[in-house]
Amino acid sequence: EADIYQTPRYLVIGTGKKITLECSQTMGHDKMYWYQQDPGMELHLIHYSYGVNSTEKGDLSSESTVSRIRTEHFPLTLESARPSHTSQYLCASSEHGKETQYFGPGTRLLVL
Amino acid sequence: GENVEQHPSTLSVQEGDSAVIKCTYSDSASNYFPWYKQELGKRPQLIIDIRSNVGEKKDQRIAVTLNKTAKHFSLHITETQPEDSAVYFCAASEGKSSGDKLTFGTGTRLAVRP
Repeated sequence: EADIYQTPRYLVIGTGKKITLECSQTMGHDKMYWYQQDPGMELHLIHYSYGVNSTEKGDLSSESTVSRIRTEHFPLTLESARPSHTSQYLCASSEHGKETQYFGPGTRLLVL
Repeated sequence: GENVEQHPSTLSVQEGDSAVIKCTYSDSASNYFPWYKQELGKRPQLIIDIRSNVGEKKDQRIAVTLNKTAKHFSLHITETQPEDSAVYFCAASEGKSSGDKLTFGTGTRLAVRP
């Protein structure tokens, strides 16, 4: 089934650790996005990509980095996790030429 | 850049009543306005959207209206049911000029009392 997947769904990690949040979509979409959201609160765009080898920073400053080596894959990396990074991270994708975004199930990150 | 304001932040209605959520946007170039519903612990899901060349769109119990002159759009839910309880987000997009990015409102937490 065409969908957008995120792993892990939940992650508890200590301060200073390097983490990578995975996002994959099987919908053939060109554009992909990462949002940060505290539960039930506003969605903040932190990174987006229009296609392979394209990455841009979003409206909210973030210490994370992203890469887009394959169309279907858009991982987000935190080199050194801090408690301020505790949040939910939502990945989304959209079709070329269209604005409608489809969201993954999210990763809930807790940094101790 | 675009700025989207959403009101109210919380809304409680009796089952069967109507609910209305309002959003205003700042950039007159915005031309696409989706609404997402996010249930507790779930991902945001698109429930309805409207483009700037249309004033109103309806899908069963939900409808969206757009006033381009005033730069505001609203979500209307009629005959509310407990399963409508969720956080609702409006958004606006300037289309290609902004790279098809969406700017989201701050969300409205809707509670439907049985």
